[in-house]
Amino acid sequence: AQSVTQLGSHVSVSEGALVLLRCNYSSSVPPYLFWYVQYPNQGLQLLLKYTTGATLVKGINGFEAEFKKSETSFHLTKPSAHMSDAAEYFCAVSGDNQGGKLIFGQGTELSVKP
Amino acid sequence: NAGVTQTPKFQVLKTGQSMTLQCAQDMNHNSMYWYRQDPGMGLRLIYYSASEGTTDKGEVPNGYNVSRLNKREFSLRLESAAPSQTSVYFCASNSPSGQGTYEQYFGPGTRLTVT
Repeated sequence: AQSVTQLGSHVSVSEGALVLLRCNYSSSVPPYLFWYVQYPNQGLQLLLKYTTGATLVKGINGFEAEFKKSETSFHLTKPSAHMSDAAEYFCAVSGDNQGGKLIFGQGTELSVKP
Repeated sequence: NAGVTQTPKFQVLKTGQSMTLQCAQDMNHNSMYWYRQDPGMGLRLIYYSASEGTTDKGEVPNGYNVSRLNKREFSLRLESAAPSQTSVYFCASNSPSGQGTYEQYFGPGTRLTVT
């Protein structure tokens, strides 16, 4: 079975500060991991993904995430927050035995203060 | 290339009414999904279709039915709407085998209110 836990339903940072959104997963098979972003009143957009290979993955809008198997984590970071980063962020996990289904975390709402 | 499209964007129903949410994708994906999104609960899978001609229940299927009309289209039907079905509904697609596209592509959503 697979599951995802996102620590913190709300995170607030100042513009220019580091963004760190935490995601821990459990999986009985090698995981495929995803971060999605949802802007108000819109659908979900893929930020980045890890399937195999390099454990540090870079995504759109300056975000990156590192797959740490020993910590079962896939935290999302951005060195310097911008006002336009305010949105809800979802971590998701899948695997070869999931038939393409994703298991989502409950989401973290990011606020950026001027 | 429109990606995943959903209709309608908004809908208000009275308790007991029925309606069908439509979804179509033009990416030649094999698999399609219906989710509902509620505050603090993330996205929960209602039904999915791994390929044309097949459908399976997800985490929260009660009160819903689906039809995979062809490879492009996957509809979600509420036969007798209840206030508990007030939510935002998202359709998504991917091709986990063959193309190896594990990430899902999402439509813009349908906001449904049941009074």
